[in-house]
Amino acid sequence: QKEVEQNSGPLSVPEGAIASLNCTYSDRGSQSFFWYRQYSGKSPELIMSIYSNGDKEDGRFTAQLNKASQYVSLLIRDSQPSDSATYLCAVKGGSYIPTFGRGTSLIVHP
Amino acid sequence: KAGVTQTPRYLIKTRGQQVTLSCSPISGHRSVSWYQQTPGQGLQFLFEYFSETQRNKGNFPGRFSGRQFSNSRSEMNVSTLELGDSALYLCASSRESNQETQYFGPGTRLLVL
Repeated sequence: QKEVEQNSGPLSVPEGAIASLNCTYSDRGSQSFFWYRQYSGKSPELIMSIYSNGDKEDGRFTAQLNKASQYVSLLIRDSQPSDSATYLCAVKGGSYIPTFGRGTSLIVHP
Repeated sequence: KAGVTQTPRYLIKTRGQQVTLSCSPISGHRSVSWYQQTPGQGLQFLFEYFSETQRNKGNFPGRFSGRQFSNSRSEMNVSTLELGDSALYLCASSRESNQETQYFGPGTRLLVL
């Protein structure tokens, strides 16, 4: 059973701080890694994808991947109240079937 | 460009009934994937259709089925509904099969009584 684990939170950070979201996965054959943001009552939207070890930056978001440790993280710099949402980690292996974590709730307070 | 649309948005059924949900992908997208989201299990992959063919299938019983039409619109059917089928059903479209970037629709919230 392929598993993707995330701390459910909530993770509470003050406005302007760095929010760090973490995800571990069990399948060593995983090749593609994604972070989705889901606002309450809305559908998920893709914010970052990463495929190779290291960091990938997109605006205020940085995804970090360490395949040896089976760990992927998302950093949100200069967090804003509008970043308050649930962040879903998703992992794909050779079967192309994505496995999602249950998500981490992030609260950014003013 | 219009996004992914799903109908109906809300549905109430009773145990034993069947239900059909519809998804229209973004224009030009040929792949449609279906997901079930529940508080207990999170977001789980049901199946993916591409060019009217099922390409990938998740670990769900045969009561869950789907199809895709030549215009890429897709339907998902659940027969003999159980209480545990109450969930948000999401579809997502992408331009090609197994493509990384998926765009989710607003979902259909199904309540089984």
